[in-house]
Amino acid sequence: GDSVTQMEGPVTLSEEAFLTINCTYTATGYPSLFWYVQYPGEGLQLLLKATKADDKGSNKGFEATYRKETTSFHLEKGSVQVSDSAVYFCALIIQGAQKLVFGQGTRLTINP
Amino acid sequence: DAGVIQSPRHEVTEMGQEVTLRCKPISGHNSLFWYRQTMMRGLELLIYFNNNVPIDDSGMPEDRFSAKMPNASFSTLKIQPSEPRDSAVYFCASSLASANPDTQYFGPGTRLTVL
Repeated sequence: GDSVTQMEGPVTLSEEAFLTINCTYTATGYPSLFWYVQYPGEGLQLLLKATKADDKGSNKGFEATYRKETTSFHLEKGSVQVSDSAVYFCALIIQGAQKLVFGQGTRLTINP
Repeated sequence: DAGVIQSPRHEVTEMGQEVTLRCKPISGHNSLFWYRQTMMRGLELLIYFNNNVPIDDSGMPEDRFSAKMPNASFSTLKIQPSEPRDSAVYFCASSLASANPDTQYFGPGTRLTVL
């Protein structure tokens, strides 16, 4: 079946550090890939997405590239801020389907 | 633009009571999803609707849970009777099914505590 595996958390970094959160997927069809972010006490917000191989999604300084050859969609940011502290979810949806398949989430804490 | 609206934001009830959670999707969206989030199980899709019709309810845990969508702008998730293990955050999300990809937009959630 379809699945998403994320890097185990929690992840703790200092402000201005480089961030990578790994995400790999298994899909029976051709997926679109997403990163959602959940700030404390809030719902999930779409952070970025990519719909085909080699596409790069970007938003708020975060980037992720759809790598079909490695079935990955790793999230990166060059310089994190305290305000980036949140839980990050990688997800996929198979083309033509509607069910989002989520990873387990990675809790990120940024210390000043 | 108003996003997905959920009410109440917090609900505390006693075991055995009926609980009704409400959701108003984004105007123009034709798909609606109910999720449950717990520390142990993460995010689980409970049920989703297309054009007000339930499409997949395989995630609904048991007969105590029911969901309705009487019109395009309103949905309810009901638990009757509630049990302590139902304590969780319940999210509603909506999307435009014809979009590619079908991007879901989430509400702020209802935190349910069953004592």
